[in-house]
Amino acid sequence: QQKVQQSPESLSVPEGGMASLNCTSSDRNFQYFWWYRQHSGEGPKALMSIFSDGDKKEGRFTAHLNKASLHVSLHIRDSQPSDSALYFCAASEQGGSSGNKLIFGIGTLLSVKP
Amino acid sequence: NSKVIQTPRYLVKGQGQKAKMRCIPEKGHPVVFWYQQNKNNEFKFLINFQNQEVLQQIDMTEKRFSAECPSNSPCSLEIQSSEAGDSALYLCASSLQGDTEVFFGKGTRLTVV
Repeated sequence: QQKVQQSPESLSVPEGGMASLNCTSSDRNFQYFWWYRQHSGEGPKALMSIFSDGDKKEGRFTAHLNKASLHVSLHIRDSQPSDSALYFCAASEQGGSSGNKLIFGIGTLLSVKP
Repeated sequence: NSKVIQTPRYLVKGQGQKAKMRCIPEKGHPVVFWYQQNKNNEFKFLINFQNQEVLQQIDMTEKRFSAECPSNSPCSLEIQSSEAGDSALYLCASSLQGDTEVFFGKGTRLTVV
């Protein structure tokens, strides 16, 4: 069973709309969460991290973490065609013994239609 | 922009051939990772290093995969005898110690024909 589950698998939103992506971990050892974005032909690039309960906002992107339920979400407001990409939720264990190895979800393919 | 450099970008090998790919981590990053991303976009952690020492690795019981990160040289991942199922994007990444951002290279796309 995947330790990091993502939904939906794909999402289509109009330009200017709001995109909401979800992620849940089934392993309480995972305390640190990241959102990565991968455009076609590129490696993943970190969008933002969230380690504490609550919201974290960076520009058009807002992440929300609920540590009790191990649920994290990413909301993209005013979506742009350039936001079209694969979005991955990634989690790592607390502590540095594993060298902050990331466990990735299966990804959400976001398509923003002009 | 990530400064993790991976070469080559594309690699085509016949079944049974050796495949080797290289990675120069971002300057000053002591932690290096190798991941395999398959055609379904699933990530599989392979191995990570801190400086030249292996931190964690998957059970490479087949012994076909080997990796190293020598000092003052690029890191490398080698598949001794390529199989069709090894066709994937191999991603190298690096980071500082602790819970810091992991920076990925653009990957080496291996196709085993």
